[in-house]
Amino acid sequence: KAGVTQTPRYLIKTRGQQVTLSCSPISGHRSVSWYQQTPGQGLQFLFEYFSETQRNKGNFPGRFSGRQFSNSRSEMNVSTLELGDSALYLCASSIASEADTQYFGPGTRLTVL
Amino acid sequence: TQLLEQSPQFLSIQEGENLTVYCNSSSVFSSLQWYRQEPGEGPVLLVTVVTGGEVKKLKRLTFQFGDARKDSSLHITAAQPGDTGLYLCAGVTSGTYKYIFGTGTRLKVLA
Repeated sequence: KAGVTQTPRYLIKTRGQQVTLSCSPISGHRSVSWYQQTPGQGLQFLFEYFSETQRNKGNFPGRFSGRQFSNSRSEMNVSTLELGDSALYLCASSIASEADTQYFGPGTRLTVL
Repeated sequence: TQLLEQSPQFLSIQEGENLTVYCNSSSVFSSLQWYRQEPGEGPVLLVTVVTGGEVKKLKRLTFQFGDARKDSSLHITAAQPGDTGLYLCAGVTSGTYKYIFGTGTRLKVLA
């Protein structure tokens, strides 16, 4: 069974640009969560999607958005990039609820110059 | 705001030593998970504890969930270099679909 895949693995952007990251969950998983990981703040929850609906979101500005497609694949978008957005963005999938095991992808390393 | 504090933040020990990592919160969680993350990879789940006072063992690793479900500990016996990594605890409250991650403990086991 294939694991969670994230593309691209590495990305370099400049301030003011926007970026879209992609996550393909494990087959049969309908819940996808996104996290931002930085050395200073650790792993922080961005949002969670299930059946194309956002069920919860973390405390991030509106520049961070996401969506989920009918095949459960998910994308997150960051507009007007800032230097502080440089981070490892992790996606995790689970079958349906927070009671199910989360499986993480390898992450996308975003560097903003 | 729910927070999970882990201690210690950093730990460097010799192979064969024992260690304990703590995860504390003022909030009650429905369940708590422990993950290990290695460089360039996403966190990998080690264990989930659900019941207050629960103890789970995974080879040389022992996990305990506090009676009040606000804290947890991870004890490693006879640490090995392969145990090196970032250990993260994460709590979730039923119905929120949101995991709160701890601040992390970076462990280095020297051969």
